[in-house]
Amino acid sequence: QLQQSGPGLVKPSQTLSLTCAISGDSVSNNSVAWNWIRQSPSRGLEWLGRTYYWSKWYNDYALSVKSRLTINPDTSKNQFSLQLSSVTPEDTAVYYCTRDLRGPWGQGTLVTVSS
Amino acid sequence: DIQMTQSPSSLSASVGDRVTITCRASQGISNYLAWYQHKPGKVPKLLIYAASTLESGVPSRFSGSGSGTDFTLTISSLQPEDVATYYCQKCNSAPWTFGQGTKVEIK
Repeated sequence: QLQQSGPGLVKPSQTLSLTCAISGDSVSNNSVAWNWIRQSPSRGLEWLGRTYYWSKWYNDYALSVKSRLTINPDTSKNQFSLQLSSVTPEDTAVYYCTRDLRGPWGQGTLVTVSS
Repeated sequence: DIQMTQSPSSLSASVGDRVTITCRASQGISNYLAWYQHKPGKVPKLLIYAASTLESGVPSRFSGSGSGTDFTLTISSLQPEDVATYYCQKCNSAPWTFGQGTKVEIK
């Protein structure tokens, strides 16, 4: 099970931060990747990036957000996080964390970028 | 990066109709393709992975086919509860890009 937390409102130019707490699995599981995906009416579903452990930690990011996005695992709390910097209103979306391809998914967090 | 293109972008069909959605990859991705159903206000639901494997609990009226660059999602008999937007997603190497979506409505 994945439980998301984080603010629903972020000001333009600030950093959007979300956390996904994992239960029933380990963020260090070397068989799965932990993803962030967002959904907006204008862009549909958009895969943002992932973190995974395979002898060491790896990250992959979508080109559209690569310069602004950081995904970090936190083994002490068994969770992973998303930080998206320099946000604009175009980053307004429902953000989801997911476990690999077959899930589960987090409950989703509507994040609005507005002053 | 490999681009995923779905067609059509929307469709309207009658209950009981056979519905087909296509997804084309700009380069070959073998069978590393998934299909999702997304209803407003709900978490997206995985329907099919590995191009043609039905996820557990998904009705058998959904099926997937294809390999390489061309893929198809078929609903054999459209039901009212199938109104949703459907997305394909490549899942071989990163980025795991989605198609732009196909909105399915009842006529």
